Amino acid sequence: DTGVSQNPRHKITKRGQNVTFRCDPISEHNRLYWYRQTLGQGPEFLTYFQNEAQLEKSRLLSDRFSAERPKGSFSTLEIQRTEQGDSAMYLCASSPDRGRSRNTEAFFGQGTRLTVV
Amino acid sequence: GQQVMQIPQYQHVQEGEDFTTYCNSSTTLSNIQWYKQRPGGHPVFLIQLVKSGEVKKQKRLTFQFGEAKKNSSLHITATQTTDVGTYFCAASHSGNTPLVFGKGTRLSVIA
Repeated sequence: DTGVSQNPRHKITKRGQNVTFRCDPISEHNRLYWYRQTLGQGPEFLTYFQNEAQLEKSRLLSDRFSAERPKGSFSTLEIQRTEQGDSAMYLCASSPDRGRSRNTEAFFGQGTRLTVV
Repeated sequence: GQQVMQIPQYQHVQEGEDFTTYCNSSTTLSNIQWYKQRPGGHPVFLIQLVKSGEVKKQKRLTFQFGEAKKNSSLHITATQTTDVGTYFCAASHSGNTPLVFGKGTRLSVIA
């Protein structure tokens, strides 16, 4: 296992189109996170899975965004009716579950850079 | 929602000078993590601090967690060009909540 893998690495789409990104986490990691990062900013939390359960979703996330992790392994992030403001780097991260009381380090993928034209 | 404020936003230093970035929260944190992101790269984990007043060192890097668990700092001694990048703190209120990242401090090192 070489780490967190994200596909595609780059995506250019026309405004109004739907896009889907895929994330393959490190195989033994139960937790999976999606973040969005724009230039000069820190990663912004979007949503979080524990196995196949989506435990939290940012209130900043519009209804156009949806994420799934159907078998508790890979995850997909879909953006419907893309807008120019959706242009960003979408980062996926995974981490092992050490129990409710402990955070562990997050391993990030290389990200998918989305450009909406 | 939970926020972590990070200062400064940018820091330019001559090679060999020291560098410090600070992370502050208005609320008590469960733990704090530090990440480094090289230009064009993705965030890479550096360290996690959990205990009040904790200090950890990694070669030229020193990490501190405040006594009240509301602030943290990263200090680099004698910077090198390989230290270039953006340093982020990331914090959570509990072990079961996702990390919230600061905006980062971008470090430039002039040789």
